[in-house]
Amino acid sequence: ELKVEQNPLFLSMQEGKNYTIYCNYSTTSDRLYWYRQDPGKSLESLFVLLSNGAVKQEGRLMASLDTKARLSTLHITAAVHDLSATYFCAGVQPNEKLTFGTGTRLTIIP
Amino acid sequence: DAGVTQSPTHLIKTRGQQVTLRCSPKSGHDTVSWYQQALGQGPQFIFQYYEEEERQRGNFPDRFSGHQFPNYSSELNVNALLLGDSALYLCASSLLRGVTEAFFGQGTRLTVV
Repeated sequence: ELKVEQNPLFLSMQEGKNYTIYCNYSTTSDRLYWYRQDPGKSLESLFVLLSNGAVKQEGRLMASLDTKARLSTLHITAAVHDLSATYFCAGVQPNEKLTFGTGTRLTIIP
Repeated sequence: DAGVTQSPTHLIKTRGQQVTLRCSPKSGHDTVSWYQQALGQGPQFIFQYYEEEERQRGNFPDRFSGHQFPNYSSELNVNALLLGDSALYLCASSLLRGVTEAFFGQGTRLTVV
């Protein structure tokens, strides 16, 4: 059964700094998702990573996937307050069953 | 395209009661999956429906049941509610065949008192 682990669980960073969130998964996953969740809200899809070496960027966020290491990363560049949220990675098993990590609660401090 | 819609958005129930949550999938999608997200945790897979049948199930008791209708919409039913059932319930729709992204609804916040 697929297991997904994220670290760190909590991240407090200053505006303008860079940081990386790590997502490890235990077995083969069809692909890897990254989601953002604001308090009390649903999940907003950020990235879908389909294959080994995939790299996607949107604004200050960049996600990558290394299927051999079973590792995905979400890199934040020059953080701004609007990026404060909880970020989840999720692996996919057959038939679109998603297994989520525990989430990383990101707080950007002015 | 309205995307995935869920109703109601908020609900308060008493222990022991029963509740029904509803989900309409994104246009063109044929598969509905339900997830439970307790406060401070990641979503947990409850079950998935395709062609009006339950295809996969997570580690949830039989108190959790569901249904899918011919128009692909779905219901989640929870019987004999417990305080621990308080959570955000998320519905995701997708296409069973092929590589498609799962889209989530806005969720139903269930509070059991």
